[in-house]
Amino acid sequence: ETGVTQSPTHLIKTRGQQVTLRCSSQSGHNTVSWYQQALGQGPQFIFQYYREEENGRGNFPPRFSGLQFPNYSSELNVNALELDDSALYLCASSSAASGYNEQFFGPGTRLTVL
Amino acid sequence: KQEVTQIPAALSVPEGENLVLNCSFTDSAIYNLQWFRQDPGKGLTSLLLIQSSQREQTSGRLNASLDKSSGRSTLYIAASQPGDSATYLCAVPDPLVGNQFYFGTGTSLTVIP
Repeated sequence: ETGVTQSPTHLIKTRGQQVTLRCSSQSGHNTVSWYQQALGQGPQFIFQYYREEENGRGNFPPRFSGLQFPNYSSELNVNALELDDSALYLCASSSAASGYNEQFFGPGTRLTVL
Repeated sequence: KQEVTQIPAALSVPEGENLVLNCSFTDSAIYNLQWFRQDPGKGLTSLLLIQSSQREQTSGRLNASLDKSSGRSTLYIAASQPGDSATYLCAVPDPLVGNQFYFGTGTSLTVIP
């Protein structure tokens, strides 16, 4: 069974740029959620994708957007980067069939905005 | 909106000690609660998942309990080891939406050899 993978591991961008982060869900999981974790804080829900559509969104502006592909992998796109976007971005996969019961997380992408 | 609090924020214990980490949440209409471990700069590793119908769940030296009516969960770690040093986070789903999870800020545990 393949776990959740994310790429890249680390990323450095400058303010105003755009970034794309990628996630491959665990085998058999059809739902992907994205979280932002600032230093010293718990993860905060950005949004979830199911059947290639957004299926719930947290309190994040529209410049945070995403995609899900037919193979259930997903992308998180952030436009017009701000300094406060510097964080660990976590992807979690789950199965809608089990009511999103248990989430499995990837290793994260560390984004630094200068 | 669910609010999740974890106490204490940090804990330092000598090796071999038993310890309890606490998690409280404001809305008791949850269908599960999940405990995670996070090593510095890394992703989250799932430790235990407790369904709302369960009162506790065990895995090795770890035991998690859930009291929905009081909005509390505890994670008990027996015979702590230096390798247990990490941040421990609890997460509960949004009672209405269900697929959105709220996390506490975690308890940073250091086990001293």
